[in-house]
Order: sequence, then structure tokens, then C-alpha cells
Amino acid sequence: QKEVEQNSGPLSVPEGAIASLNCTYSDRVSQSFFWYRQYSGKSPELIMSIYSNGDKEDGRFTAQLNKASQYVSLLIRDSQPSDSATYLCAVNQETSGSRLTFGEGTQLTVNP
Amino acid sequence: GAVVSQHPSWVICKSGTSVKIECRSLDFQATTMFWYRQFPKQSLMLMATSNEGSKATYEQGVEKDKFLINHASLTLSTLTVTSAHPEDSSFYICSARNGPVSQPQHFGDGTRLSIL
Repeated sequence: QKEVEQNSGPLSVPEGAIASLNCTYSDRVSQSFFWYRQYSGKSPELIMSIYSNGDKEDGRFTAQLNKASQYVSLLIRDSQPSDSATYLCAVNQETSGSRLTFGEGTQLTVNP
Repeated sequence: GAVVSQHPSWVICKSGTSVKIECRSLDFQATTMFWYRQFPKQSLMLMATSNEGSKATYEQGVEKDKFLINHASLTLSTLTVTSAHPEDSSFYICSARNGPVSQPQHFGDGTRLSIL
């Protein structure tokens, strides 16, 4: 089992739709969870951090965390073509010390 | 806030050359910096973690004599690829974190290294 797994892509949604990106992690004692966006040829950019169970909203983005299910998700409302990118889920697993464990990413395409 | 500057953006050089990449945190103090490499269509691969004033901790399989990391201050870390060869060609990205592990990492813009 991979330490951090993301739903396999690519994911394609029409403009204006909700894009749902999912991530599960293996280390039950993980405390810090992050979503990064990476455009092709660019470096990752932090979108959201989440630490507590429940929802956290920031503009069109909502991160959801369920520690009991070891599940974290990112919802993008009113998707725009500019949201087309690879989304990386990252988890700070206590067993990994100070490093982040990244999922392999989900490629999202928003079609105009 | 949390801006990380990485320089240079592109490097093209001959095989056998040593290349230095700089990573600076511009508006915060980076207690920990990280160096990653990424091949096309692949995920990030952590190379090493460095804390200011300490020796870097390298991931398994990463040659520390090949990839020299210096973290001399709270705002600057450097990665030197020594005697680079074509197989070292990759996208190198640094990140920086201020404070405990619960804080996010902020990434530089990356350096695209091409060895001829």
C-alpha cells in the first residue's frame, strides 16, 4: 500500500462544474495535510492546509479531512480552465520525521 | 508572504561541470529547507533535508558527495551538483519551511538542469 494515494486521473470536468480530488493516507497518526497545485513545467504551489476533521473553505476551494477514514479531499467549485493542473496531496506523517509524503498527483483538465 | 526564490531557472552546461543552485527564503526564516528532483511526468522525489547550521540528511540512494548541500543561514541553502552528467538532467526544486513540521513547505520556482 502506498503511503499517500490519490485517485487516478486524469480527471476531466466541464467549466463551472465541481472537481473532486481524493487522497488517502496510511499513517493513522498523521496530523498535517496539504494540497498543492502544479502547472506543467512549474513548481508546486500551496493551495490549502488542513489539520482538523471537517471542512475548510478558501474561496472556490474546500478541503475536507476525515482522520478516522484516513481521507482528505479537495473540492474546486465553479471550475475554470485556469484550474487545469496536477494536484498533489501531501501528508506530514509522524513516522517520516520532518518530510512531507506526496501522492503521485491527479491531473485535472477543465474544459471550456 | 512565504516567498522562496530559486536561482538560476535554467542551466545548460557540458558534462563534467559542477553546477550550483541557490534557494532563498525572501520574507521568512527557513529553519528547514528541502531539495527535490522531478523527472517528466513523475512525482517529486525528495533528495535531502537540511537544517540551518547542520549537515543535510540525504534520502536513500542519493549520493551526498555528488549533491552537496549547504544551509549556511536561515534564508539560504545551496545545492551543488558536482561533475554533472547527462543522467543528472532534471528539474530541481527547493522548498522551505518556517517552524515545526506542521507548517507547510513553500516551493521555489525550480531549476531546469540540462547536461550535454
